[in-house]
Amino acid sequence: GAGVSQSPRYKVAKRGQDVALRCDPISGHVSLFWYQQALGQGPEFLTYFQNEAQLDKSGLPSDRFFAERPEGSVSTLKIQRTQQEDSAVYLCASSRGAGHTFGSGTRLTVV
Amino acid sequence: RKEVEQDPGPFNVPEGATVAFNCTYSNSASQSFFWYRQDCRKEPKLLMSVYSSGNEDGRFTAQLNRASQYISLLIRDSKLSDSATYLCVVNKYAGVYNKLIFGAGTRLAVHP
Repeated sequence: GAGVSQSPRYKVAKRGQDVALRCDPISGHVSLFWYQQALGQGPEFLTYFQNEAQLDKSGLPSDRFFAERPEGSVSTLKIQRTQQEDSAVYLCASSRGAGHTFGSGTRLTVV
Repeated sequence: RKEVEQDPGPFNVPEGATVAFNCTYSNSASQSFFWYRQDCRKEPKLLMSVYSSGNEDGRFTAQLNRASQYISLLIRDSKLSDSATYLCVVNKYAGVYNKLIFGAGTRLAVHP
């Protein structure tokens, strides 16, 4: 597609609920990143994929966070048993070189 | 200490003013530097890359001082549409790829 597409745009989850966030990168982009952006902060790295391989998951805050990209295209970030501190904007970015192109993000609110 | 530090602002300036943002980074091995712009409730977008020789794009000038590990962004003749958060970004080589490390951003508000 023309840009990075993320869905849903907004998600309200009750504490303890599982959520799944989707990212559709730019076609042909090998690299895919997930970031978490808390209010008033810059994006914080969560995980990186090169095609279908998850090469770095050092930024995932706990084992409740899981990401996959099974066919090297669409990626899903799953958060299990959501907590209030998970409330943030989750940004996906894809790239073919040094710069990132970001999606519009999913704003997750845990109540 | 954060890897990329910025003054959070906000910087409140009148239209037509010149404003400068600074950023320091801790990883001396960083090779790539960027300024991203983020509008309220929008995603970050690349504003410009930053080179050692300095670079200019219209009203925007970026400078890099490797010895001091310092990056700056100068905006001349500010417009209302420049109101946004400006994110300083440096790369960190992670073995097989380059990870981008973002500062917390500097907020700019341009008023009439």
